[in-house]
Amino acid sequence: DVKVTQSSRYLVKRTGEKVFLECVQDMDHENMFWYRQDPGLGLRLIYFSYDVKMKEKGDIPEGYSVSREKKERFSLILESASTNQTSMYLCASSTGRGLGYTFGSGTRLTVV
Amino acid sequence: GENVEQHPSTLSVQEGDSAVIKCTYSDSASNYFPWYKQELGKGPQLIIDIRSNVGEKKDQRIAVTLNKTAKHFSLHITETQPEDSAVYFCAASISDKLIFGTGTRLQVFP
Repeated sequence: DVKVTQSSRYLVKRTGEKVFLECVQDMDHENMFWYRQDPGLGLRLIYFSYDVKMKEKGDIPEGYSVSREKKERFSLILESASTNQTSMYLCASSTGRGLGYTFGSGTRLTVV
Repeated sequence: GENVEQHPSTLSVQEGDSAVIKCTYSDSASNYFPWYKQELGKGPQLIIDIRSNVGEKKDQRIAVTLNKTAKHFSLHITETQPEDSAVYFCAASISDKLIFGTGTRLQVFP
């Protein structure tokens, strides 16, 4: 089975800190995605990548950046964490564009 | 912009009853429609999907129907069980990405 691993299940960070969320997939997928999940808003796309060193903005990229130095790893970076970035963050990967995604278990980030 | 609408936001059923969740999409070029189930503390898991050249697909107690003309698709769960309780998300492929609905919290009471 495809496995998408997010390094932390729970994180608590202070306002202004730089935060790194790590995601690794083990099935050689080309495409990787970062979503945030908030009650009543569903899953909103932050950034995605179709190849190494490639990145594209999703629907809500403000306050975030990403890094994809290796095919299997896609990192989400909060340059200066703010309380409105408290959320559940989900990483996903897929074999083809627009095809079924495999999600990680999520990282619940709280910014205090 | 392109979006996917999902209804209802919450759904409560008695064990053994059927549950139906409906989604509409805006991009007529969408051709792939997956459904995900998210249990507490876990990431969403793909449970069934359908492509635009098919009108219906079944997998045991779960079925999905697609009406391309009306641009809507539905998830049907028959003989519901308490373990079906979860949040369900629909999605549609739009511009090579999946756009998700806002989710339906299904509760199945014994």
